[in-house]
Amino acid sequence: ETGVTQSPTHLIKTRGQQVTLRCSSQSGHNTVSWYQQALGQGPQFIFQYYREEENGRGNFPPRFSGLQFPNYSSELNVNALELDDSALYLCASSPSGGNTGELFFGEGSRLTVL
Amino acid sequence: AQKITQTQPGMFVQEKEAVTLDCTYDTSDQSYGLFWYKQPSSGEMIFLIYQGSYDEQNATEGRYSLNFQKARKSANLVISASQLGDSAMYFCAMREGLGGGYQKVTFGTGTKLQVIP
Repeated sequence: ETGVTQSPTHLIKTRGQQVTLRCSSQSGHNTVSWYQQALGQGPQFIFQYYREEENGRGNFPPRFSGLQFPNYSSELNVNALELDDSALYLCASSPSGGNTGELFFGEGSRLTVL
Repeated sequence: AQKITQTQPGMFVQEKEAVTLDCTYDTSDQSYGLFWYKQPSSGEMIFLIYQGSYDEQNATEGRYSLNFQKARKSANLVISASQLGDSAMYFCAMREGLGGGYQKVTFGTGTKLQVIP
């Protein structure tokens, strides 16, 4: 069974640029969520996708957007990058209707904005 | 709004000893789930243990146990017989509702555990 994989693992961008992060969910998992983890903080919920639609969103501006594809993989797009967007971005997946709702995380994409 | 509080930024424990990591939570929901995750330096969040709000017995998973005191709104993690590989960040987290598809999980700020040989 393949776990959650994310790409790229590290990237550097400059202020104002746009970035796309990618995530392949664990086999059989149809729900994907994204989290932002700033240095020294716990992860913060960005949004969740189920059946290719966003069905939950945290306190993040519209320049954070996403997609989910028919194979349940997902993208996180961030436009007009700001310095504070520098963080570890974690993707998590879970099967819908799971007993505990445990999230299975990837190793993250570390974004540095200069 | 849900809130998780972890008051211990860092902890040290001697190898083979037990350690308790503190977590308190705040929610107005009756149904919720509590989690502990471990995050090594590689960045991946590793699930350790889960407690549902209606579970009467404390959850246990191997060397991990969750000391759930609902009236006090606390969900402390106990690690028995600490190992060097336990050195990592530990996050307490809470999810609205029980099971199902909604994945918004609120995390605390974490506790950095260091195991001393």
